[in-house]
Amino acid sequence: AIRMTQSPSSFSASTGDRVTITCRASLGISTSLAWYQQKPGKAPKLLIYAASTLQSGVPSTFSGSGSGTDFTLTISRLQSEDFATYYCQQYYSYPRTFGQGTKVEIK
Amino acid sequence: QVQLVESGGGVVQPGRSLRLSCAASGFTFSFYAMHWVRQAPGKGLEWVAVISYDGSKEYYTDSVKGRFTISRDNSKNTLHLQMDSLRPEDTAVYYCARGSCGGDCPFDCWGQGTLVTVSS
Repeated sequence: AIRMTQSPSSFSASTGDRVTITCRASLGISTSLAWYQQKPGKAPKLLIYAASTLQSGVPSTFSGSGSGTDFTLTISRLQSEDFATYYCQQYYSYPRTFGQGTKVEIK
Repeated sequence: QVQLVESGGGVVQPGRSLRLSCAASGFTFSFYAMHWVRQAPGKGLEWVAVISYDGSKEYYTDSVKGRFTISRDNSKNTLHLQMDSLRPEDTAVYYCARGSCGGDCPFDCWGQGTLVTVSS
């Protein structure tokens, strides 16, 4: 199975900050990578797919980049509704695998 | 609008069985692969199983192979997960999710989840 490793596991930030989360795959996955946002008690929500394509309805403050094994999710200006846990996921092969999650907390 | 609604969760003793269902609406169910993803309390997301759009192919994570069976009824727009020989480590919220295309795709729509608790 392809292992997905996110960093950091958690951090604190302030509204308006620019934040970056990284995701590394144990094998090359081309651009078959998605990012999800999950808030407590809610289902995950697809933010970005194909490493850098914004899902319809997602604010343009979110962006993604990378290919192969190294990927990043960037939030250009953190807003109050962005405090949540973020997961990367590879859909290059089965079993599908997720990163362990990155919790973004309010400073 | 696109909607997925899970049902069937509950408290079950180790070794027993449970069948989850996911009712789909707002889209042509028979066009999409469907997945189950679970999340143990306070933990991350774990993919469980997938079934192809026509039910001809299935894949499972290793920890559930031989115990869980995914199935679908395209005439009723319903996805199922039959869970046998349940273990305490199967305790989780189970989500159904839609694969966004016919091939290797992310999950663009999720249900609200149903909680399965395996405990004596």
